[in-house]
Parts: sequence; structure tokens; C-alpha cells
Amino acid sequence: DTGVSQNPRHKITKRGQNVTFRCDPISEHNRLYWYRQTLGQGPEFLTYFQNEAQLEKSRLLSDRFSAERPKGSFSTLEIQRTEQGDSAMYLCAGGTHYGYTFGSGTRLTVV
Amino acid sequence: DAKTTQPNSMESNEEEPVHLPCNHSTISGTDYIHWYRQLPSQGPEYVIHGLTSNVNNRMASLAIAEDRKSSTLILHRATLRDAAVYYCILRDGGTYKYIFGTGTRLKVLA
Repeated sequence: DTGVSQNPRHKITKRGQNVTFRCDPISEHNRLYWYRQTLGQGPEFLTYFQNEAQLEKSRLLSDRFSAERPKGSFSTLEIQRTEQGDSAMYLCAGGTHYGYTFGSGTRLTVV
Repeated sequence: DAKTTQPNSMESNEEEPVHLPCNHSTISGTDYIHWYRQLPSQGPEYVIHGLTSNVNNRMASLAIAEDRKSSTLILHRATLRDAAVYYCILRDGGTYKYIFGTGTRLKVLA
């Protein structure tokens, strides 16, 4: 148990459909990150929350991507009108200024 | 973006020490150096972090150069379970963004 749970573990969707992923950190995790990782690459930053406030979002992220963290608890990442290039592992990390714990990720395949 | 440079891959024999290098010449004075590792099909796992002094924990040691432009992660006795991709990470100056590179894939030989 890493303390950060992500659901679903796998998602296959047709191009053009919307998908939503969920991340559940532990209650002590006031900070939360979303990253995206493609095969052979390191994780790429998507967005950062401190409590419920989204303080930073990657410039590379298109407006098809949106994330929320209501009440500073769980977080959701939605991708609208999915494209094949969105196929990747989506990782969530929760933590404090002492350090971060990653979840096992949601693997998205867009067909 | 904060940039780190690591060798693509390294090999080690089981039970022997491993030194994983990282160059971070653009590091700012207040940035911590973080190391994470990633096993297959898992999210990255925290290993160690430091600012200026060398650091030790139950998993590894971190040796930081005096000018802070490089660091070395030391696994004192590599095991087969240490086979993973090791990432040296800095925060992008003035932002909340932690930048991962492509990491070093460590292979441990039995």
C-alpha cells in the first residue's frame, strides 16, 4: 500500500471519447501532482495542487485536459476528446514538503 | 527547465556497491536534489534527497559535490530487487514542477 490509490488501473477508450481518472492520496497529503509517462521516458509534469488550489499547470497541456481536487482530498484528471497521442501512463503523487508517494498509475490506451 | 544528466544504463553485480552519477550544473542554491526509482509497471518510489551535505538512509546514500553541480547515489550492496530506473530530479526554479529526465536503468547481475 503506497498510500496513494489510482483508479482505474487500465482504461481503453475510443478516440474522441472523454475519460476521467481518480487519485486518492492519504489525508495528510496536502500536495498533489499529476504526471504523464510514455514508454522509455521519464514522467512529465502535468499539474500541481496544494490543498484544493491548482497552483501550476504545464504549458504543454492542451485545454482538453482538466484536473480538480475538491476540498483538497481526492483528485480527478479528465481528458476530453481523446487522441491516440494521449496513450500513456498517468501517475498521481501525493505528499508534503517532506516528500512524495506515487500511485501505481492509470494506463490509458486510445484506439 | 531544470536539467539533469544521467547515464542511460549501468550494470552491477549482486552484493557489490553501485554508484549512480547525476550532473545538474544549472541547480540553484536552494534546490534540493531528489532521487526516485521506478520498478517495472509501478510508479516512482522515493529513495533519498539532500541539499548540501551527504545524506544516508536505510535505502541508500547521497553524495553531493561541494559545488552542488553533481551528485552520486550510492547503493551499498546491490540486490536483484534494486534493478530499476533511477531518476535524479530537480525542481524547476521558481515553480512547483519537478523535472524527471530519462533516468539510469540499473541492471543487477546475479
